[in-house]
Amino acid sequence: KNQVEQSPQSLIILEGKNCTLQCNYTVSPFSNLRWYKQDTGRGPVSLTIMTFSENTKSNGRYTATLDADTKQSSLHITASQLSDSASYICVVADRGSTLGRLYFGRGTQLTVWP
Amino acid sequence: EADIYQTPRYLVIGTGKKITLECSQTMGHDKMYWYQQDPGMELHLIHYSYGVNSTEKGDLSSESTVSRIRTEHFPLTLESARPSHTSQYLCASSIRGSGGADTQYFGPGTRLTVL
Repeated sequence: KNQVEQSPQSLIILEGKNCTLQCNYTVSPFSNLRWYKQDTGRGPVSLTIMTFSENTKSNGRYTATLDADTKQSSLHITASQLSDSASYICVVADRGSTLGRLYFGRGTQLTVWP
Repeated sequence: EADIYQTPRYLVIGTGKKITLECSQTMGHDKMYWYQQDPGMELHLIHYSYGVNSTEKGDLSSESTVSRIRTEHFPLTLESARPSHTSQYLCASSIRGSGGADTQYFGPGTRLTVL
């Protein structure tokens, strides 16, 4: 069973609108949570990384929140642009090994229409 | 834009062929990784390396092998490709960032199709 669940699976919004993507995880012990953006046919690109003590982090129009108590995170995109169309992947790292094992969600496929 | 490169970007081959997927990075990162990703599915770690002459198998069983003779180079080899190997292969490297979390940088991927 995947320990990182994302919702919705896909989302269509109009250009200029805001949206929020959700990530729930069961990974323990928790180390950090990352959000990646993956354009079609490309590798993922890191948007934010949050550790246990951080509950919000912004990167331009992207704002990620983390509630380590409820094991939930969200990614809010403000004033969406056509270039925001991509898959957004939530990744959680544990503290159980030197590698810091990463657990990947399946992503939310966002499509921004003009 | 990360300095990590993968070749070829697309590959279509017949069953039984031996192939090597190339991955190189110019950032001097010690840690490198290979992931497999099917459409709409999560990335699965198949191999990783902490440095030169260090390689380990990941979470997903894979018939591929890797080598790490130089820091910048982490090739993945399939001795005998099968249709079940059809997938997207992503290479990544990482460096320890502030706060102790490794920041991973991904290459553009190789889309492999085995007929």
